Amino acid sequence: ETGVTQSPTHLIKTRGQQVTLRCSSQSGHNTVSWYQQALGQGPQFIFQYYREEENGRGNFPPRFSGLQFPNYSSELNVNALELDDSALYLCASSPILAGGGETQYFGPGTRLLVL
Amino acid sequence: AQSVAQPEDQVNVAEGNPLTVKCTYSVSGNPYLFWYVQYPNRGLQFLLKYITGDNLVKGSYGFEAEFNKSQTSFHLKKPSALVSDSALYFCAVRGDTGRRALTFGSGTRLQVQP
Repeated sequence: ETGVTQSPTHLIKTRGQQVTLRCSSQSGHNTVSWYQQALGQGPQFIFQYYREEENGRGNFPPRFSGLQFPNYSSELNVNALELDDSALYLCASSPILAGGGETQYFGPGTRLLVL
Repeated sequence: AQSVAQPEDQVNVAEGNPLTVKCTYSVSGNPYLFWYVQYPNRGLQFLLKYITGDNLVKGSYGFEAEFNKSQTSFHLKKPSALVSDSALYFCAVRGDTGRRALTFGSGTRLQVQP
C-alpha cells in the first residue's frame, strides 16, 4: 500500500451534475497529481498541485478544477458532468526533488459513472 | 510533446519462462522512465524507474528494465514469470525539464499461463 487514499471508491452521477473527489497524500509528499483513466486506456494527466498552487495542467476543459490544502490533501471538482467523464480517477502523490526524478505513488482510484 | 508506445496489447507467457513487455518513448531532453502495474479494480503500483546511470534497472518482485537510448526503448523483463504476475502493465515517461506530468502508454496485458 502506498499511503495515498481516495474517496469515495465509487460514485454514480447523472449528466449535468457536479462531483468532488478527494485525495490524501502520502506522508512527507507535497505534490498531488490527478489522472483520468478511461476504460481500456492509459491514465491521462489532468493537473498537478504543489504547495496549494496549480503546477501544470493537461488537455482538460476548465470545468475540471482542483484544490490543494495546507496538509497537502487535494480535491478534484468536475462541473457539468458529461457521459465521457465516466472513468477511473487516480490521484498520485510525490515529493518534489531537485533533480526531478521523483516517483508518483498512486491511490486506489475513484470510479465515476455518469448516466 | 512526449509519447509512449506499447506495441502489444497482450503478452502471453508460460509460468517459469522469461517475459518481456515492450515500451518505446519520445520526449524532449533526457527521459525519466517508469513502469507501473495495475491489478483489477486497483490503482497503479510502482515497479521501477530509470533516471540516470546504469542502463539496467532492477525493481520490485524480480522485475528489471533495460534503458536503450539509441532505440528509445525501456523494455520490462523478468527471468521467470509467475501466474501472479498476470496484470496490466503501463510504461510512462516525462522529460527532465518542463512539466512534471507523466505520459502513459496504453498498457499491455500480461497473461501468465500455469
